[in-house]
Amino acid sequence: DVKVTQSSRYLVKRTGEKVFLECVQDMDHENMFWYRQDPGLGLRLIYFSYDVKMKEKGDIPEGYSVSREKKERFSLILESASTNQTSMYLCASSPYRDPLGYTFGSGTRLTVV
Amino acid sequence: KNQVEQSPQSLIILEGKNCTLQCNYTVSPFSNLRWYKQDTGRGPVSLTIMTFSENTKSNGRYTATLDADTKQSSLHITASQLSDSASYICVVSALSGGSYIPTFGRGTSLIVHP
Repeated sequence: DVKVTQSSRYLVKRTGEKVFLECVQDMDHENMFWYRQDPGLGLRLIYFSYDVKMKEKGDIPEGYSVSREKKERFSLILESASTNQTSMYLCASSPYRDPLGYTFGSGTRLTVV
Repeated sequence: KNQVEQSPQSLIILEGKNCTLQCNYTVSPFSNLRWYKQDTGRGPVSLTIMTFSENTKSNGRYTATLDADTKQSSLHITASQLSDSASYICVVSALSGGSYIPTFGRGTSLIVHP
């Protein structure tokens, strides 16, 4: 089975800190995605990548950046964390660009205080 | 604008009972539809995937249906178990300009009581 590993299950950071959320997949997938999930809003796409060193903005990229230096690793960066970035962050990996093939990680619940 | 509406927002049933969750969408052009189960504090896990030509697909006690004409899908759970308590998310994918654009529903929260 494909495994998508997010480095932290729970994270508490202070306002203004730079925050790194790491995601690693073990199935040589080209396509990786970062979502945030908030109660009552569903999943919203932050950034995605179809290849190493490639990145594209999703629906809500403001306040975030990403890094994909290696195929298996896709990092989400909060340049200066704010309280409105408190959320559940989900990473997904897929052999296709279509969510048809998504495998999600277990998520990182980030709290910014 | 592409939209996916799920109903009900929440549902409480007794263990052993059946239930049906609904997903209506206005996504175009339609590519495929997927149902996920998400346990509290975990990532979503795929239950079924349906393409335009498929009407019904089963995965154990889960059966998904798709009516592409009315743009509706349902997820039927048979003989519910306590472990079915979770959020169920409908995702519809559109093909636009060579890219696949997913639209997520907000989910139905299911609670199964003993």
